Amino acid sequence: DVKVTQSSRYLVKRTGEKVFLECVQDMDHENMFWYRQDPGLGLRLIYFSYDVKMKEKGDIPEGYSVSREKKERFSLILESASTNQTSMYLCASSLGGQTNEKLFFGSGTQLSVL
Amino acid sequence: QKEVEQDPGPLSVPEGAIVSLNCTYSNSAFQYFMWYRQYSRKGPELLMYTYSSGNKEDGRFTAQVDKSSKYISLFIRDSQPSDSATYLCAMSASGNTGKLIFGQGTTLQVKP
Repeated sequence: DVKVTQSSRYLVKRTGEKVFLECVQDMDHENMFWYRQDPGLGLRLIYFSYDVKMKEKGDIPEGYSVSREKKERFSLILESASTNQTSMYLCASSLGGQTNEKLFFGSGTQLSVL
Repeated sequence: QKEVEQDPGPLSVPEGAIVSLNCTYSNSAFQYFMWYRQYSRKGPELLMYTYSSGNKEDGRFTAQVDKSSKYISLFIRDSQPSDSATYLCAMSASGNTGKLIFGQGTTLQVKP
């Protein structure tokens, strides 16, 4: 089974802090994604990456950046955390090609920014 | 107007009931339709994946797509307490980007 591991289950940070959310997948998937999930809004795509050192903006990239130095690892960075970034963050990966829509998700990181 | 609309529920049914979960969408370019299931404190997992219109069946689950009405459904037969979860519809236009548009999710509770 594909395993997507997010480094923290719960995280509490203060406004203005720099926050790193880490994600690792173990199935040699080409593509990795960061979504956030908010009540009433569903999942929204923040950033995604089709290859090492490549990144593309999703629908809500403002206030976020990403890093993909290795194929298996995709990091989400909040340069200066704000309270409106309190959310559940979900990392996902997919194999590539025509199976790109079949995403495998991690268990999520619940981030609270105080 | 959101691209994908999904009734958030919650929906509560007795064990053994037939459950119907639905999404409507506005973008006629969507061709790939998925249902993800998300248990509490877990990430979503892919449940059903369909392309274009028609039906797809997998055990107790049936996914239907009606592109003319821009409407998709997930039916669960003989529902079980273990089906209690949030069900998210998702869709995309290209099929090869992984950029999905999700509905808000419907929370389902199946009571024993």
